Amino acid sequence: GQQVMQIPQYQHVQEGEDFTTYCNSSTTLSNIQWYKQRPGGHPVFLIQLVKSGEVKKQKRLTFQFGEAKKNSSLHITATQTTDVGTYFCAGTNAGKSTFGDGTTLTVKP
Amino acid sequence: EAQVTQNPRYLITVTGKKLTVTCSQNMNHEYMSWYRQDPGLGLRQIYYSMNVEVTDKGDVPEGYKVSRKEKRNFPLILESPSPNQTSLYFCASSLFPTGDGYNEQFFGPGTRLTVL
Repeated sequence: GQQVMQIPQYQHVQEGEDFTTYCNSSTTLSNIQWYKQRPGGHPVFLIQLVKSGEVKKQKRLTFQFGEAKKNSSLHITATQTTDVGTYFCAGTNAGKSTFGDGTTLTVKP
Repeated sequence: EAQVTQNPRYLITVTGKKLTVTCSQNMNHEYMSWYRQDPGLGLRQIYYSMNVEVTDKGDVPEGYKVSRKEKRNFPLILESPSPNQTSLYFCASSLFPTGDGYNEQFFGPGTRLTVL
């Protein structure tokens, strides 16, 4: 079945440093979604990428979808303490959603 | 307010005692899904439903049942819970079936289940 790998599992940064998490799928994805889960909270949708090579930005967050639609990345520029949480990518295929294991970001002020 | 609600939020039970976790959404979404979240394992899909009376297995369906008799409700049933089903459970819904069009999943607040 479809597998989605996400690295790194944990990332500790100093406030102001950049952060990147990577997502790799064993199969070609029709689309990929990114979610953020704050400690003690539920996943919250950030964005969906659909097109090969697509790049989308949300303020300090940049999302990329690979040309082969099998990998994706989330990059945060100049992290802030409000960025703490776990970031998940999710690949979807005909109703089935497969989530990566997530990257937990901690930010030291 | 558009939302997904789950009940109960916390539950401690014993092995073998049947339980139901309810999930309801008020957004008229076609798609609903159940996930379990365990430390280091991310979110794993248990069952999903593309519409009323249509349900399909996710990656970890063993030990669980679901039903979709109404569009807004998607209960998760554990007929005979076991300790390995101790987990944090999330219900989610989406406007379009996943894979078609814009399909942001809205998650409920979660149900923390402990099976002794």
